[in-house]
Amino acid sequence: GENVEQHPSTLSVQEGDSAVIKCTYSDSASNYFPWYKQELGKRPQLIIDIRSNVGEKKDQRIAVTLNKTAKHFSLHITETQPEDSAVYFCAAIEKTSYDKVIFGPGTSLSVIP
Amino acid sequence: GAVVSQHPSWVICKSGTSVKIECRSLDFQATTMFWYRQFPKQSLMLMATSNEGSKATYEQGVEKDKFLINHASLTLSTLTVTSAHPEDSSFYICSAAGPRGDTEAFFGQGTRLTVV
Repeated sequence: GENVEQHPSTLSVQEGDSAVIKCTYSDSASNYFPWYKQELGKRPQLIIDIRSNVGEKKDQRIAVTLNKTAKHFSLHITETQPEDSAVYFCAAIEKTSYDKVIFGPGTSLSVIP
Repeated sequence: GAVVSQHPSWVICKSGTSVKIECRSLDFQATTMFWYRQFPKQSLMLMATSNEGSKATYEQGVEKDKFLINHASLTLSTLTVTSAHPEDSSFYICSAAGPRGDTEAFFGQGTRLTVV
């Protein structure tokens, strides 16, 4: 099955700086890679996603890059703000009979004012 | 986007009792739903795939007799934690694929289960 790894597990940045979170996946058949933001006690929120036919996608301060050959994908947050503080999960789809979302272990991001 | 509602949001039960958690797709039909468990400061771990009209598919290591899943209609899946013990205390979240067969998953708000 699919295995998703994520680094770092914790990340602290100064407000206004950039944050980068990196993930790897194992199943070359995976073709969809969402990123979620989760605040304490709440459901994960999709913040951006990328499909395997695209190398990069950007939405305002958030961008995601995908290297399908290396099975790497990364989340970039620029001009970080205190409200960006949360746990971020990368994920990949395990392509079986059903598209299962398999999560990475998560990165706790703290943006220091 | 599609709306998935989960109930209850939190529940406290005594050890040895059973608890049922409901997951509903409010504005679309969900043939398939997924159940996750999340322990504090950990990731979401897929427990099982719930399929309307058929038996659920459980991930390795998940006890199917302890975590009963029923997907009786295209808008409702239930997870019953049987004979709950304190180690079952966790955050349980369901998800469903969107109405257009999208890959994007839509999550319920989660259920905080505390077994005392």
